[in-house]
Amino acid sequence: DADVTQTPRNRITKTGKRIMLECSQTKGHDRMYWYRQDPGLGLRLIYYSFDVKDINKGEISDGYSVSRQAQAKFSLSLESAIPNQTALYFCATSDRRGTDTQYFGPGTRLTVL
Amino acid sequence: GQQLNQSPQSMFIQEGEDVSMNCTSSSIFNTWLWYKQEPGEGPVLLIALYKAGELTSNGRLTAQFGITRKDSFLNISASIPSDVGIYFCAGGSGGSNYKLTFGKGTLLTVNP
Repeated sequence: DADVTQTPRNRITKTGKRIMLECSQTKGHDRMYWYRQDPGLGLRLIYYSFDVKDINKGEISDGYSVSRQAQAKFSLSLESAIPNQTALYFCATSDRRGTDTQYFGPGTRLTVL
Repeated sequence: GQQLNQSPQSMFIQEGEDVSMNCTSSSIFNTWLWYKQEPGEGPVLLIALYKAGELTSNGRLTAQFGITRKDSFLNISASIPSDVGIYFCAGGSGGSNYKLTFGKGTLLTVNP
């Protein structure tokens, strides 16, 4: 079984809809991250959480919110989706007792019409 | 903020050829990581480097942490079709700031 899972894997929605992307991990890591990937722009950090009570904005947090429901779960919400939020979204985890190494989920492809 | 320059942006090679790609930065990093991403999947860690000057291999892959801490390279020897994908470098600052800075990726295509 995968250590980092994301649901859904694909989602098509309409402008203005509220969308939640979920991430779960079985690695026992404290730190979790949400990234967005667009062609030619690489991976950009949206939000990160170093533990359940610690949430931090990344470089592109506008239009997004997150919730760390438990150590193993970190969800990303788009309160009112817009077309330029169409992208691949990745969740990642890392261990505060280790190094900077991050482990990624399989991604969610989101299309906003 | 910190930025990584990854080159080349893309490579088209013949099966059996060796490949080299690199990342440079104006900032110092304490960790260099190399990931591979295949279509429809998330990035998978290939090699992690934690000390300046470190040279590490993983099968046909070899990566080095530059002595200045501002660069790293990845070599792939005797490429095969399944090496196709996007390769990303990432630099980590360590300490209390466990965030990574990513390069924009190198798209590798291998012609059988």
